[in-house]
Amino acid sequence: AQSVTQLGSHVSVSEGALVLLRCNYSSSVPPYLFWYVQYPNQGLQLLLKYTSAATLVKGINGFEAEFKKSETSFHLTKPSAHMSDAAEYFCAVSGGSQGNLIFGKGTKLSVKP
Amino acid sequence: GAVVSQHPSWVICKSGTSVKIECRSLDFQATTMFWYRQFPKQSLMLMATSNEGSKATYEQGVEKDKFLINHASLTLSTLTVTSAHPEDSSFYICSAAGISRGEQFFGPGTRLTVL
Repeated sequence: AQSVTQLGSHVSVSEGALVLLRCNYSSSVPPYLFWYVQYPNQGLQLLLKYTSAATLVKGINGFEAEFKKSETSFHLTKPSAHMSDAAEYFCAVSGGSQGNLIFGKGTKLSVKP
Repeated sequence: GAVVSQHPSWVICKSGTSVKIECRSLDFQATTMFWYRQFPKQSLMLMATSNEGSKATYEQGVEKDKFLINHASLTLSTLTVTSAHPEDSSFYICSAAGISRGEQFFGPGTRLTVL
């Protein structure tokens, strides 16, 4: 069965610092992988997705993620954090029993001035 | 990307009443819609999957008679929380997928508070 593990429920960085949010997946088939961002009391916004094309995926707002099959990882990075990046981030993998996405527990990103 | 709307965005109701939440795909035909539930500071958990014109498939532990799902058209699915109780208070999010299901498009969510 597919699953997603996000290491670190809370990550805090200074403004301008590198953002690294970790995601490892388990999948019996080549996965589709996603990163979503959620601001308070809002729905999910797609940051980027991996669908078996290029392993380095660029998304919106300067985020990117690299698919590493050997490490079963899909970590999210951004070179320089902005205050507006403070939010909850969810990694997800396709392949639920109903075709649904399976989500990690989420990582809350805080950005200090 | 495609646009999915939810209505209402938030609702407060008394215990024992029923609440209907609508999920609409505005610019594409959604053969499948998913209903997720998110408790505070937690992740999204799939409640049920609805396919247009057929009965919804519920996840284990989700009461079919309490959470009624209807997917009457390719652009609309509804979730009705019947006889709501305070423990049903949560953030409900729908997503819609086309035939490929390769990508799902999420609605903005509905905050339900049951007093």
